[in-house]
Amino acid sequence: DGGITQSPKYLFRKEGQNVTLSCEQNLNHDAMYWYRQDPGQGLRLIYYSQIVNDFQKGDIAEGYSVSREKKESFPLTVTSAQKNPTAFYLCASSIGPSAYNEQFFGPGTRLTVL
Amino acid sequence: GENVEQHPSTLSVQEGDSAVIKCTYSDSASNYFPWYKQELGKRPQLIIDIRSNVGEKKDQRIAVTLNKTAKHFSLHITETQPEDSAVYFCAASAYFSGGYNKLIFGAGTRLAVHP
Repeated sequence: DGGITQSPKYLFRKEGQNVTLSCEQNLNHDAMYWYRQDPGQGLRLIYYSQIVNDFQKGDIAEGYSVSREKKESFPLTVTSAQKNPTAFYLCASSIGPSAYNEQFFGPGTRLTVL
Repeated sequence: GENVEQHPSTLSVQEGDSAVIKCTYSDSASNYFPWYKQELGKRPQLIIDIRSNVGEKKDQRIAVTLNKTAKHFSLHITETQPEDSAVYFCAASAYFSGGYNKLIFGAGTRLAVHP
């Protein structure tokens, strides 16, 4: 179903802890994205990577960090600096960096801070 | 900054009726407008898109119209079926500093089609 996977499906975190969400794709796509989905707010871009070893901050990058050491992988770390981390996180990829390319989404990770 | 407003937030129709979802964007440089469908518990998927050099595009029961002067675009679903029930997101292209481009998403419309 799309060749892009996320793990875990559900994640619980205590306040003050960092957590890392996994995103892997086998579509040979250059571009990868992380979005946050909250009720009534649609999808908001956290980070974006055009190519390996390159990434840019999106609209709500504060309290998050990413790495892109391999083409297939784009992990997202939610740090303790993120004030309201409870949300549904979606990873996506596209064949190239242009917004005109279809984005393929993963199944998502629901993060809950206890 | 760039913004995409989407209306209505919820829409309920009877099977066989038409459904229309409208979006307005703020960035006059936007030139690509995709629509994504997210069924309950599933990932968003692209269903149709339109570029700024086209005023209308159809694909079977769905169509998208674009009015660049007014900066709004709409999704039209005809002969709705229960399987059309989902959350629909519109989006518009926008530009980062440094020349990168991205999508700005609307807040979504929850469509319910009742048999």
